[in-house]
Amino acid sequence: EVQLVQSGGGLVRPGGSLTLSCAASGISVSDDGFVWVRQAPGKGLEWVAAITSSGRYTYYAISIKGRSTVSRDIAKNSLSLRLSSLRAEDTAVYFCARDVGNYFDFWGQGTLLTVSS
Amino acid sequence: QSVLTQPPSVSGAPGQRVTISCTGTRSNLGEGYDVHWYRKFPGTAPKVLIFGNNNRHSGVPDRFSGSRSGSSASLAITGLQAEDEGEYYCQSYDSSLNAHYVFGTGTKVIV
Repeated sequence: EVQLVQSGGGLVRPGGSLTLSCAASGISVSDDGFVWVRQAPGKGLEWVAAITSSGRYTYYAISIKGRSTVSRDIAKNSLSLRLSSLRAEDTAVYFCARDVGNYFDFWGQGTLLTVSS
Repeated sequence: QSVLTQPPSVSGAPGQRVTISCTGTRSNLGEGYDVHWYRKFPGTAPKVLIFGNNNRHSGVPDRFSGSRSGSSASLAITGLQAEDEGEYYCQSYDSSLNAHYVFGTGTKVIV
């Protein structure tokens, strides 16, 4: 059974940093690309980051570009998204998902990041 | 950021047919990239319904169908059921500099 189990959300002060994690089972993070998608309270889905199956290429939405890093740990079969210089508008539920050809078939359960003083 | 435009809501009675439109731009649907559809319930992760414009994902009933023409796409739900009430999003690849993937603005289906 394929599972993506997320962790790492929480309350962070503006300007702070946080790393979100996504542990995969039933699939290998070295075989596929993965994305991060977020949903702010009362808003729609927003794609924010992607890493290719080779791990060589990463892409970011302009909303987090320059202050975020998406990476993978093949040994731990997991992904991570590090967010820095956090702002109130980064408050959202963050999802990881597998990219199987420009669409996303398996999703993590989501983790809430709240940026507030 | 580039987005795909959807109506905020559509409604229908049980058993009826509803359609959700998704209008793109030259950097996504207009450039020929595929459209995909997801359903999301509050507090849960999105689930893919349709991929590659008109292919139902595994386990998705045939009441759901997708179509696409040029820069626009549609999701149709026939035989509407109470359990279909939720948020629906289209999604595509985007070739513009500041995007890679884009989602639609989302449509709430009210039964």
